[in-house]
This record gives sequence, structure tokens and C-alpha cells, in this order.
Amino acid sequence: GESVGLHLPTLSVQEGDNSIINCAYSNSASDYFIWYKQESGKGPQFIIDIRSNMDKRQGQRVTVLLNKTVKHLSLQIAATQPGDSAVYFCAGWEGGSYIPTFGRGTSLIVHP
Amino acid sequence: DAGVTQSPTHLIKTRGQQVTLRCSPKSGHDTVSWYQQALGQGPQFIFQYYEEEERQRGNFPDRFSGHQFPNYSSELNVNALLLGDSALYLCASSLGQGDQPQHFGDGTRLSIL
Repeated sequence: GESVGLHLPTLSVQEGDNSIINCAYSNSASDYFIWYKQESGKGPQFIIDIRSNMDKRQGQRVTVLLNKTVKHLSLQIAATQPGDSAVYFCAGWEGGSYIPTFGRGTSLIVHP
Repeated sequence: DAGVTQSPTHLIKTRGQQVTLRCSPKSGHDTVSWYQQALGQGPQFIFQYYEEEERQRGNFPDRFSGHQFPNYSSELNVNALLLGDSALYLCASSLGQGDQPQHFGDGTRLSIL
């Protein structure tokens, strides 16, 4: 089965810095990934997704990088703001599967 | 455009009781998935409903069951509640089955005494 985990449980940054949150996965058959942001008391919010036929995808202030060789993906947040403080999860799907696997999450703390 | 809505937001039950949680998907979505999220953990997939049928199930006992209605809304039922069932229950909707972008509601916080 799929196993998706995060390297760091907590990341503290200063406002205006760039943030990088990492995620490793174990199943080489995984071909679809989503990054979610979860604020306290709320459900996960979709940030950005990427499929395995891509190495990079950009959104507004966010970039996801996928390295299939080492089974690793990252979420880069540019010019981090206090409103970015939340727990970030990556979720992965094996091809054709309905069942995603979520990592435990990384808590991003942005200091003003 | 309404997003995913869940009710109730909080619920307190005792061991052995039964509970029903409700979910209305995002407008235009036809697939509903349910997740259990323990404190400090990522969501764990319970099951997914599409065309009013359970299409896939995670590693949860039969005490967990569900239903999808013709308007795509869904219910999660849990019987014989255990203390370990205390968690945040999340509903996510998507268009189509499988690996499609899923959008979550804010969940129902279930506490078992």
C-alpha cells in the first residue's frame, strides 16, 4: 500500500521568507498528489495538485515539485504571510485507486 | 457557489450509541468520500460513494456504514460507538471517482464519553 509521510512536523519562518514543506512517498505507483492546508477548526483546503507526468506546477505564490526518482514532493510558498500558518498535508493516490493516503502533516508557523 | 457542508458541527455521544452525520457536496460534484481524522493525524479514508453505491472502502469495520442520496448528499452512520471513535469526521466531494481533486467540509467533531 501507499505510505506518505512528512519530513518535519513543525516549520517556523519569518514573514516574507519562502517556505518549503517536504513529503516522501513509498509507492512508486502513486501518480497523483494533492497538497492541502488545514487551519485550526476547519477542514483541509485544496491548494494545488500534480500528476506524475509533470515535475512542477505553479499556482498563486505556491509551487509543487515532484521528483519521481526519489519519490519526493515539495510545496514551496513564496513570501510567506501570517495567514499561511496552518498544518499542511500531502496526499497521494496510486493509479486508479480511490483511496488516498495522507501524511501526518507539517505545522507551518509564520512569525510577523 | 456553496462548498461542502456538514452537520452537525459538534456531537457528544456515549459508548454503544449510534450516530448519523450528514454531508452536502459542493455544487456540481457527484462523489462523496468520508474520512476520520484523529487529533494530530492526517485524515484516514473510510469510504467513497458514487452513483449511490459504496465504491471503495478503507480499513474500517462494518460498524461504519453510509448512504448516498439521488441529490448526491450523503450520510455516515456509526453503530456501537467506542471511545476510539472520537475524532473529526470529514466529508469531501469531487467530480467523478478516484483520483480527482477533493474538496472538504469543515467536519463534524464527534466526542464519545
